[in-house]
Amino acid sequence: DGGITQSPKYLFRKEGQNVTLSCEQNLNHDAMYWYRQDPGQGLRLIYYSQIVNDFQKGDIAEGYSVSREKKESFPLTVTSAQKNPTAFYLCASSIHGLAGAKNIQYFGAGTRLSVL
Amino acid sequence: DAKTTQPPSMDCAEGRAANLPCNHSTISGNEYVYWYRQIHSQGPQYIIHGLKNNETNEMASLIITEDRKSSTLILPHATLRDTAVYYCIVRVAENYGQNFVFGPGTRLSVLP
Repeated sequence: DGGITQSPKYLFRKEGQNVTLSCEQNLNHDAMYWYRQDPGQGLRLIYYSQIVNDFQKGDIAEGYSVSREKKESFPLTVTSAQKNPTAFYLCASSIHGLAGAKNIQYFGAGTRLSVL
Repeated sequence: DAKTTQPPSMDCAEGRAANLPCNHSTISGNEYVYWYRQIHSQGPQYIIHGLKNNETNEMASLIITEDRKSSTLILPHATLRDTAVYYCIVRVAENYGQNFVFGPGTRLSVLP
């Protein structure tokens, strides 16, 4: 089945620890995105990548890092510099990163990160 | 991108049509209206989008007023599985930042 796979579903981070959230897609989409969602709120963009080996900061990039070495994969690292990492993290992809009304974003099931 | 206003919550009886409104009074001529929904603890799901004409697909219908300042998402026969938060997003097609701005949305409760 085609889709976006996020893992793990639940993740716990200790103080001072970096953790990496996985996002893989087999939709052959060029663009990928990471969002953060806090309880009862909308989504906020962390990073996005329009093409392999390129990525841009979103609205709340501080304390996060990403890489885009393969088209299928866009891992997100939550670093120790992110002081309030507890949230629901969502990965999305779209056909291509450039303009187009049909450039719909499709989302994974999310990873819920908590701090121990 | 234009901002949208949605009611925080709505109820709908199972089997009836659910009509979810969205105001986007500052929409520009090149901005599309998108609808997504998010079932609890899952990722958002794309429903439908449109520019100025009404649209229909297997999930829903989208009615956009002639002046494009508001729209309504219609779920023709709501089921319990349609209980979710529904997001109305207005966005420029030619947006290289590709950021969908999700606000708080409308929490739809379908009641048996």
